[in-house]
Amino acid sequence: DSGVTQTPKHLITATGQRVTLRCSPRSGDLSVYWYQQSLDQGLQFLIQYYNGEERAKGNILERFSAQQFPDLHSELNLSSLELGDSALYFCASSVDSPYNTGELFFGEGSRLTVL
Amino acid sequence: QQPVQSPQAVILREGEDAVINCSSSKALYSVHWYRQKHGEAPVFLMILLKGGEQKGHEKISASFNEKKQQSSLYLTASQLSYSGTYFCGTGGGSNTGKLIFGQGTTLQVKP
Repeated sequence: DSGVTQTPKHLITATGQRVTLRCSPRSGDLSVYWYQQSLDQGLQFLIQYYNGEERAKGNILERFSAQQFPDLHSELNLSSLELGDSALYFCASSVDSPYNTGELFFGEGSRLTVL
Repeated sequence: QQPVQSPQAVILREGEDAVINCSSSKALYSVHWYRQKHGEAPVFLMILLKGGEQKGHEKISASFNEKKQQSSLYLTASQLSYSGTYFCGTGGGSNTGKLIFGQGTTLQVKP
């Protein structure tokens, strides 16, 4: 158990819909990362938040947005869903310093299936 | 920019050694290594920091060549439990926060 909690674990929805994935980081971790992993693919970096503020952005689509709340949990919002958005979405948290990215602790992921 | 890993896949017998390489076209400040078993979340193995500091796994070692912008992961006397996909992640400079992973190297250890 990494200490990172992601909900829901599985989600099936239709094209055009909107979903919200939630992540609670480990206690004390200020950084939250979101990654997308399509079937048998690598880990695509989407976005990172540090203590409530966006810190780094990757290949995140405009239809996707995220935020980190004052209690440090984070949500990833996916809208106007397409078949290609079907993937495993991982959240990871880390004790980062301003100069280095610490080790990432990954949640178990949220598997999104778009039909 | 995504780091490049090689080889893409390795098949070993128990007890054999393997080396997985990770290279980047950008200056590296840190290199992370993670292992992901099928259907599970990635698990941290090691961090190598610019300047030589290394933190990680007791049975797996790694090197970090800052000049060549490369890192290698050494798996010695492999065990069945080493099977999985290995990802290297490269971090940028201070305050960037971005950790970009390579495409992964699949390692299969057979009895």
